[in-house]
Amino acid sequence: EAQVTQNPRYLITVTGKKLTVTCSQNMNHEYMSWYRQDPGLGLRQIYYSMNVEVTDKGDVPEGYKVSRKEKRNFPLILESPSPNQTSLYFCASSFLYRGRDNQPQHFGDGTRLSIL
Amino acid sequence: KNEVEQSPQNLTAQEGEFITINCSYSVGISALHWLQQHPGGGIVSLFMLSSGKKKHGRLIATINIQEKHSSLHITASHPRDSAVYICAVRSLGKSTFGDGTTLTVKP
Repeated sequence: EAQVTQNPRYLITVTGKKLTVTCSQNMNHEYMSWYRQDPGLGLRQIYYSMNVEVTDKGDVPEGYKVSRKEKRNFPLILESPSPNQTSLYFCASSFLYRGRDNQPQHFGDGTRLSIL
Repeated sequence: KNEVEQSPQNLTAQEGEFITINCSYSVGISALHWLQQHPGGGIVSLFMLSSGKKKHGRLIATINIQEKHSSLHITASHPRDSAVYICAVRSLGKSTFGDGTTLTVKP
């Protein structure tokens, strides 16, 4: 089954304790991206990757790191989480067509992070 | 002013009504997406548009590139259509989202 898998789905942790949210897709998509969703602010892009070893900042990259060492995986790293990173996080992936990001995105089920 | 503006913010309809949600954007785009998010959070891509019109069942999406405007129509609305509908524009890897339209369809 074609899917984007995020883990964990839920996490409660404390300020400063490094954490990683994993994202894996089995569709051989070139493009992957991380988003956060907050009440009143909607969805905002954190980082994206157009292919292996190619990553770039979205609108809200502060406090996050990513890596794209393999095509299928795009982990989101919070080196020193803070309460303002409490949010619902989504990973998504898609094909690129002739290098352009104009193909439908497939979303993971979301990860709800609470940082105390 | 947001780069992507959706209207209305909230919409309540009776079952069977024709629904229209609008999206205007102010930037150049590779494509425009309509997304659906049900309570509980999962996001589903309904349409990806770079020109013209697409139809899937009771849903129709149109885009006018010159006017930088898109509409999502739902014909014969049903309570199961109740969800948040989100417009998203994509360009050079970046995605920008509208604030969403919360649709409630009453039986």
